[in-house]
Amino acid sequence: EVQLVQSGEGLIQPGGSLTLSCAASGFTFTDYWMHWVRQAPGKGLVWVSRIDSYGNSTHYADSVKGRFTISRDNAKRTLYLQMSSLRGEDTALYYCARGSYRNFDYWGQGTLVTVSS
Amino acid sequence: EIVLTQSPGTLSLSPGDRATLSCRASQSVSGNYLGWYQQKPGQAPRLLIYSTSSRAAGISDRFSGSGSGTDFTLTISRLEPEDFAVYYCQQYDSSPEVYTFGQGTKLEIK
Repeated sequence: EVQLVQSGEGLIQPGGSLTLSCAASGFTFTDYWMHWVRQAPGKGLVWVSRIDSYGNSTHYADSVKGRFTISRDNAKRTLYLQMSSLRGEDTALYYCARGSYRNFDYWGQGTLVTVSS
Repeated sequence: EIVLTQSPGTLSLSPGDRATLSCRASQSVSGNYLGWYQQKPGQAPRLLIYSTSSRAAGISDRFSGSGSGTDFTLTISRLEPEDFAVYYCQQYDSSPEVYTFGQGTKLEIK
């Protein structure tokens, strides 16, 4: 069974940093690109970032470029999102998701990030 | 950047009805990389349809996707109580690389 289990939830002050984790199981981790997608409270889904199978290529939404870093540890089967210079508009539920055919076929349970003073 | 517009914003139907949800793109969607997701309150989204018309694993054949170019449709043939949720379409564009979601259609019980 494919599972993506997230951790790293937090309340962070503006300008602060936080790292999210997503532990994968039930599939060959190195066969898939991985993504982060976020959802502000009461709002729709917004893609944040993706990384290829071996971490050689990454890509970001303009809204987080230069502030967020996606990475993966294939030995630990874990995906990460390092977030810095956090702003109020980064407050959201963050999902990790497995990429397939340029869509997202499995999702983590979500991790709430609240940026507030 | 391609913008996806879903209609209607809210669809009120009864169990047993047929639901037709629309997703229109501001430019042609490359490779027909168009997916549909269902999201229930407090849950992560679930992939229903990928590559415009292929059902994801474990998805009922009551769900079907169609379309091409800029106009795409998700059809639910006979609504069950568990189908009432918010539905999102999503596309991939390679230049620049971006994955875009529509704003969602809420399917509610009439």
